[in-house]
This record gives sequence, structure tokens and C-alpha cells, in this order.
Amino acid sequence: SYELTQPPSVSVSPGQTASITCSGDKLGDTYVCWYQQKPGQSPVLVVFQDRKRPSGIPERFSGSNSGNTATLTISGTQTMDEADYYCQAWVSSTAVFGGGTKLTVL
Amino acid sequence: EVQLLESGGGLVQPGGSLRLSCAASGFTFSSYAMTWVRQAPGKGLDWVSALSGNGDSTYYADSVKGRFTISRDNSKNTLFLQVNSLRAEDTAVYYCAKSSRRELPPVGFDSWGQGTLVIVSS
Repeated sequence: SYELTQPPSVSVSPGQTASITCSGDKLGDTYVCWYQQKPGQSPVLVVFQDRKRPSGIPERFSGSNSGNTATLTISGTQTMDEADYYCQAWVSSTAVFGGGTKLTVL
Repeated sequence: EVQLLESGGGLVQPGGSLRLSCAASGFTFSSYAMTWVRQAPGKGLDWVSALSGNGDSTYYADSVKGRFTISRDNSKNTLFLQVNSLRAEDTAVYYCAKSSRRELPPVGFDSWGQGTLVIVSS
């Protein structure tokens, strides 16, 4: 079965840029979404179709996808961005989530 | 404002069944595909099933195929998940989520409910 691989954790200082990767075979051939989930809350869509932001999502969130890797970039990271982040793609009529990355802002 | 309210979770014995519901409001329900995603305690997101806006197309994860059935009643703005032959590994919070389009596959899940907890234990 298809797998998406994310680093378990990423740390960043406030105001710096955080990059979270998501790897999968030929991932660039399909669209990737990214979800943010804070403790005790439901997930929130932050990027869809590789690089588009839903309304209400700050411009500091951006995405890219090429080859075997998709990347979520958070520019000027704020303490409120500390959360778990999940990538997701559709492969053969199946939604696949990455294992999640815990972003720590300190 | 989009609102999704799940219900129907609870404690069930292995092999048992439940019917989960998701009441939707704030949008034209029949115009959007819907999905169920679950999350075991302390674990990541795990997609379960998706259904097109008119209900004529369904997708299932291999882990639930043949045991779970997704359906919808567009006249009542409600999504369902019938879960049968439950196993301990089905223990999770079950979220319903709205797609950003009618057809499958969804482009993204742009609104989520608060979830309903299913515990499978003897």
C-alpha cells in the first residue's frame, strides 16, 4: 500500500521559517493537502492542491510538491502555529495520510 | 457557518455494531462529497470512507471494506457510517468532514466536526 513519510518532529524559533516534508513515490504526480491539528481540537485544512490556501488561512502558510516530496512551509512562524501537521494525498481512490509531524516553536 | 455534529459513538463489544451520524448545516449538503476520518487515541489521522454529493459513488479504506457502510440522507442533511464487526483496532474518534466539491475524490476536507468516540472493548 502507498505510504507518506513525514519527520516525527520539527523545531523552529519564533519568527523563523519552518519546513515540514512529506515523501512518497511519485508524490508530485498527485495533489497534496496539509492539515493542522492542535491538542484536543479537530484538524484544519491549511493547504490544498499542493499550494492553495483556504480562506482564513494566513499567508505565512505555503506549500509545494515536486518529484517525491511535498513541503509545507511556514514563514515567520508564530507560537500559535505549534501543532501536529499531516499531509494527505489521494492514490487509487484511497486517501492516504502521512504519520504526522509535531511542530514545536521555541 | 458550516457546522458538522457527529453522534452515535460509545462503548461496544468486539463484533458489535454502531451507526454514526453527522448532522450538517450552514451549506448545501447535497453539493459536497463527505468523508469519515478516524483517529485512535494518541495516534495520527486514518481515512475511513468517502461518499459523493449525490451518494452514487463511494470509496473505502481496505481496513474497513466489507464491514463499514457510508451513506447519506440529503433530505435530512445527514451523513452516516454503519460500523459492523467491530474490532479493538477500530477504537478511535471518528470525524466527519466536508469536501470542497461534489465529486470524488475530494480536493480537500475543508470543514471537520468535533468527532465521536468509539471504544471497542469487552
